Amino acid sequence: AQSVTQPDIHITVSEGASLELRCNYSYGATPYLFWYVQSPGQGLQLLLKYFSGDTLVQGIKGFEAEFKRSQSSFNLRKPSVHWSDAAEYFCAVVWMDSSYKLIFGSGTRLLVRP
Amino acid sequence: DSGVTQTPKHLITATGQRVTLRCSPRSGDLSVYWYQQSLDQGLQFLIQYYNGEERAKGNILERFSAQQFPDLHSELNLSSLELGDSALYFCASSPSWGSIGANVLTFGAGSRLTVL
Repeated sequence: AQSVTQPDIHITVSEGASLELRCNYSYGATPYLFWYVQSPGQGLQLLLKYFSGDTLVQGIKGFEAEFKRSQSSFNLRKPSVHWSDAAEYFCAVVWMDSSYKLIFGSGTRLLVRP
Repeated sequence: DSGVTQTPKHLITATGQRVTLRCSPRSGDLSVYWYQQSLDQGLQFLIQYYNGEERAKGNILERFSAQQFPDLHSELNLSSLELGDSALYFCASSPSWGSIGANVLTFGAGSRLTVL
C-alpha cells in the first residue's frame, strides 16, 4: 500500500542551527515528491518538488531536499533556521499509477528556539 | 494570496445540520481537490474534480458530497453533521489531471468548521 511517513512529530532547533526533516515513502512505482509548509492559520504552501533529474532540489525560503531512491527518502534540509520557519511541514508523494492521488505524511511541527 | 478562494473562513453550527463550503480555484486551473485536516486524522484527501467530473475519491463519508460547476468553482456539502466533523477543510487546485504537473497543488486558506 502507498504510504508516506514522517517519523518526527515535533522537532525543536535553535535559531541559526541546521535542520533536517525526514520523509520516507513506500510503494514500488516511481514517486514524485513534494514538501509543503503550513504556517499557523494558513493553507499549505509548496516549498519544493522533485520529478526527475538532479536528486538535490532547491526550493523557496532557502530549503533544499534530496531524493535517495535506495533509502526511499526525501529529507528536507536548511542550513540555518530562522524564527519565521516555525511551522508544520508536510511531505507528500504521488505515484504515477492509475490513482494519481497525492498522499501526505502526518506532518512535522518545527519549533524554533530564540 | 494563493489565488484559491475559500468561503466561509469560519463556520459554527450544530450537530445534525448541513453546511456548504465553497471554493474558487486559481485562474486557469481545472482541477479542484478537497482535503480535511483534523488533529487526530491529519490531512486526509476527500475528493477531486477535473473540469466538472469526479476523478478521484478518498476518505469521503457518504454524508459528504461535492461538485464542480461549469465555471469551475466547487462546493463541498456536509450533512447530518457530527462533532467529529469539526476540522479545517482545504480546497486546492491544479492546472490539469493525470500528469505530473497536475499534482502541484495550490491551496486555499481553508474553512474552519466547528460543530457544537
